Amino acid sequence: GAVVSQHPSRVICKSGTSVKIECRSLDFQATTMFWYRQFPKQSLMLMATSNEGSKATYEQGVEKDKFLINHASLTLSTLTVTSAHPEDSSFYICSARKTGVKETQYFGPGTRLLVL
Amino acid sequence: EDQVTQSPEALRLQEGESSSLNCSYTVSGLRGLFWYRQDPGKGPEFLFTLYSAGEEKEKERLKATLTKKESFLHITAPKPEDSATYLCAVAMKTSYDKVIFGPGTSLSVIP
Repeated sequence: GAVVSQHPSRVICKSGTSVKIECRSLDFQATTMFWYRQFPKQSLMLMATSNEGSKATYEQGVEKDKFLINHASLTLSTLTVTSAHPEDSSFYICSARKTGVKETQYFGPGTRLLVL
Repeated sequence: EDQVTQSPEALRLQEGESSSLNCSYTVSGLRGLFWYRQDPGKGPEFLFTLYSAGEEKEKERLKATLTKKESFLHITAPKPEDSATYLCAVAMKTSYDKVIFGPGTSLSVIP
């Protein structure tokens, strides 16, 4: 199998607070994990690539100080949205690629963030 | 510019009415093409990976094919539970990690 979990599944927070989202590969090791953002009726937009033990690589236009990514182990990556604002409200999805297996990414169920 | 497009944007089928979804790509070297299914409010579910022109893969009522410019996802005798958004994504030789997603095709299968 290739199961990826995310926690929490949905979160509501006040503007200015920080929110942490966890992404775990449950039955495989993932050297590389990815964080995506998806707006309603739109496709996935890659935010950053997270490699275990090293700094994340952010896509153009994504603020690394606002979206902090930590990939501390082969099964866990976290995304922290710092000082969240209403425009950060979105559906955040992580994916993981099996170590030693090329290309295919397996996705988590997503986290719905609403910033009031 | 590397690009992935999908057509149609939306497709409505009667139960049992077979059809095909298209994914066209223009990238500088293809490493792999992926098909995913996404239900509302959920993450994408992996369906297939195709690596080279001429390759085909099947799973239940779904069959994916690949040419040098496009991929088709054929749905045979669809059922209402096949209703979902189908996403196509491409991995390029020029970037080991980055995958470009298409906009998706929203499929509705009417009983």
